[in-house]
Amino acid sequence: DAGVIQSPRHEVTEMGQEVTLRCKPISGHDYLFWYRQTMMRGLELLIYFNNNVPIDDSGMPEDRFSAKMPNASFSTLKIQPSEPRDSAVYFCASSNYRGEAGYTFGSGTRLTVV
Amino acid sequence: GESVGLHLPTLSVQEGDNSIINCAYSNSASDYFIWYKQESGKGPQFIIDIRSNMDKRQGQRVTVLLNKTVKHLSLQIAATQPGDSAVYFCAENIKRDSTLTFGKGTMLLVSP
Repeated sequence: DAGVIQSPRHEVTEMGQEVTLRCKPISGHDYLFWYRQTMMRGLELLIYFNNNVPIDDSGMPEDRFSAKMPNASFSTLKIQPSEPRDSAVYFCASSNYRGEAGYTFGSGTRLTVV
Repeated sequence: GESVGLHLPTLSVQEGDNSIINCAYSNSASDYFIWYKQESGKGPQFIIDIRSNMDKRQGQRVTVLLNKTVKHLSLQIAATQPGDSAVYFCAENIKRDSTLTFGKGTMLLVSP
């Protein structure tokens, strides 16, 4: 398995633009997690899915953020409109467990909003 | 190993030394703990885990110790190598049916 695949690796966009981050989880994993990492706040859970259904989106900072999982092999995190404070590294992770075992993380997308 | 704002706690060691990275966890009911390693530009990678019914677990060059009395978790790395330089995170499962909660990490710097 190629692991969790995220794209793009880097994204630079102007304030106000729409940004879409993509994730392909490990085949067979039932859970998919989106995290944001900053120096100030560390790793923050934004939202997670179980069997393609969003379970908890309480970590999504604002209505500007949305996430979808149309099928078991693909998820997107969208920010519209983007703001400079959204600049961070966004990670996708997948697992067969909600919290009873470890997650496999992707390599992340470094987002810079200017 | 908790964050102090913008600056991660940092542990600097010499190659060949043993390293000990510490983590204070938050909930006495937590029953599962993991250590992750994150190298620059990469995602966190699983190192080793331990359940609350154990005090110690060993892997290859790594040992995790759990002290439930003081809610303390530690990661010991034997014969530290430059390739061990990274940020190390502890994570816990605070309650049944919850997701993992991550600490803010400790940076390990290994000099040759």
